[in-house]
This record gives sequence, C-alpha cells and structure tokens, in this order.
Amino acid sequence: KAGVTQTPRYLIKTRGQQVTLSCSPISGHRSVSWYQQTPGQGLQFLFEYFSETQRNKGNFPGRFSGRQFSNSRSEMNVSTLELGDSALYLCASSLGDTEGRDTEAFFGQGTRLTVV
Amino acid sequence: AQKITQTQPGMFVQEKEAVTLDCTYDTSDPSYGLFWYKQPSSGEMIFLIYQGSYDQQNATEGRYSLNFQKARKSANLVISASQLGDSAMYFCAMREGRGSTLGRLYFGRGTQLTVWP
Repeated sequence: KAGVTQTPRYLIKTRGQQVTLSCSPISGHRSVSWYQQTPGQGLQFLFEYFSETQRNKGNFPGRFSGRQFSNSRSEMNVSTLELGDSALYLCASSLGDTEGRDTEAFFGQGTRLTVV
Repeated sequence: AQKITQTQPGMFVQEKEAVTLDCTYDTSDPSYGLFWYKQPSSGEMIFLIYQGSYDQQNATEGRYSLNFQKARKSANLVISASQLGDSAMYFCAMREGRGSTLGRLYFGRGTQLTVWP
C-alpha cells in the first residue's frame, strides 16, 4: 500500500512569488492535514481537510491556503512568499472515520521550501 | 501554556539498552489521544505508537511502549533494546477531543536520540 506522497521534495522560490505544494494521501484516507516545521517554531498546524471541506485552521495568515479534491488529494498554496516561509511542509493523511476512530496519522516525507 | 512538553533536548543511549523519552501534556478535555513520532534526518515523520485517554492499558508496538500516567499527565515513550537505526528526533503529540476527523495535533519540541555502539 503506497504511503503519503508529497511533491515536489525540494523547492527554491524567490521572495514575492507564490508556490503550490501537493499531497496524495494513502488510498482510502479522506482526511489531509498540513504542518509547517521550522527550527524556531517547531511543528505548527496549518489546516485540515476532509471530504473537500476545510475542517480546522491554524493561526497562519491568509497567504496560506489549501484545498482538497474529490480524490482526497490536497494542495497547499502560499502567495507572496516571505523569507520566513522557508520550512519543511509536512502533509498527514488519516482515515477520517466518522465514528471517531481516527487514531493514526501518516506523514509524507515533506516538501522543503527555501525562499531566497 | 504549552500543550506538549518534552524536557529532554537530547538523549544518548548505548546499543541494546532501553531508553525512556519524557512527555507531559496539558489539556482539560477528558477525551484526547497521544502520539509518538520518529523523524530521521530525511524529514519523514514515522508513526510509532498511539494511546487514547480512555485506554486502560499502556500501548505497545514491538520495541516501543508508552508509559501512560494519566494523573501525572505524562506519556513517556520507552524504547527497549535500542538499535543504531533508532537515532532520530522523537516527537510527542496530542489530539484533543474526539471528532469525526483527526483534527489538529499539538507537537512538542522533540528529543534528539543518539544511539551509540
């Protein structure tokens, strides 16, 4: 069974540009969450999507947005990039079970974004 | 206040020895879940073990066990018979509530474990 796939693995962008990151969850998983990891702030929750709807949102500016498609694949977009957006962006896939039995989240290898 | 606290920035253990990584949590929700992840230098977060707040027994997964002390709000990870490949960053995380989806995970700052021969 394939794991969580994030593309691209590495990305270098210039300040002011925008970027789109992609996440394909494990087959059958309907919930996708995004996290930003930096040395200074650690792991911070960005947002969660389930069945194409944003369920939860972290404390990030509106430049960070996301969406989920009908096949559960998710994309995250960051507009007007700033140097501080340089980070490892991790996507987590979980079952999204409606009976509250979600007990595992599987992460992808992440996209390492560098803003110069 | 921090939801998850990991007080050991770094730990060292000799191969084949057991090691305990500390984690304390803070929540007023009676329903929550606790997770441990391993992150090697490659960046991928690898799920190790889960403990639900209502679980009566401590969770175990192979060489990993979770020492869950609810009254103390601690969820320490015990790795038995350490291997060189266990060298990595270890994160404790918590989910509050029991919604229909996983929701938000709160992570600690991590513990860098180094296993030496």
